[in-house]
Amino acid sequence: QKEVEQNSGPLSVPEGAIASLNCTYSDRGSQSFFWYRQYSGKSPELIMFIYSNGDKEDGRFTAQLNKASQYVSLLIRDSQPSDSATYLCAGTGGGNKLTFGTGTQLKVEL
Amino acid sequence: DGGITQSPKYLFRKEGQNVTLSCEQNLNHDAMYWYRQDPGQGLRLIYYSQIVNDFQKGDIAEGYSVSREKKESFPLTVTSAQKNPTAFYLCASSFGQPTNYGYTFGSGTRLTVV
Repeated sequence: QKEVEQNSGPLSVPEGAIASLNCTYSDRGSQSFFWYRQYSGKSPELIMFIYSNGDKEDGRFTAQLNKASQYVSLLIRDSQPSDSATYLCAGTGGGNKLTFGTGTQLKVEL
Repeated sequence: DGGITQSPKYLFRKEGQNVTLSCEQNLNHDAMYWYRQDPGQGLRLIYYSQIVNDFQKGDIAEGYSVSREKKESFPLTVTSAQKNPTAFYLCASSFGQPTNYGYTFGSGTRLTVV
């Protein structure tokens, strides 16, 4: 069983809509979770991190964590074509290293 | 500007050849990591190092070797024992444990076997 799981997509949303990206994890010892955005051929860049149950908002992005359900999500409001990328979820189940999911490809259509 | 520099950006390896990928950071980060990314498989950990002169194997260390002689540098050697080395290689660093701040990534090296 993979430690961090994501639906590979692609997830297609129209411009201006809310994109919802989801991630589940198996290690209950995981403390923190990170969302990275990766454009094709480029390296991942950090968008958000969360370590407390509930919601954390930063601009158009909201990260949600539910430790009881072992579920992490990323909401992108007012989606733009420039948001089209692969989104990687990562957790700190290993303590001193991050474990990544396989990523969800997001396509924002005009 | 602080950051992580990976070189070269593109690398071609012949069968049976060892090649070394460079990773240098000036962020004063303690920990450094090497990941491999293949299409549809996400990032898989090769090796990581939390302090100078010490490193640990990740999930897919076979066919790879590393050294950590300086805090700033963590080169990765892809040996001839790695049978399928064609992939995108990412170096990352973190300030202590990644729990609070996650990783900063380099721009990556794309390795192709010819």
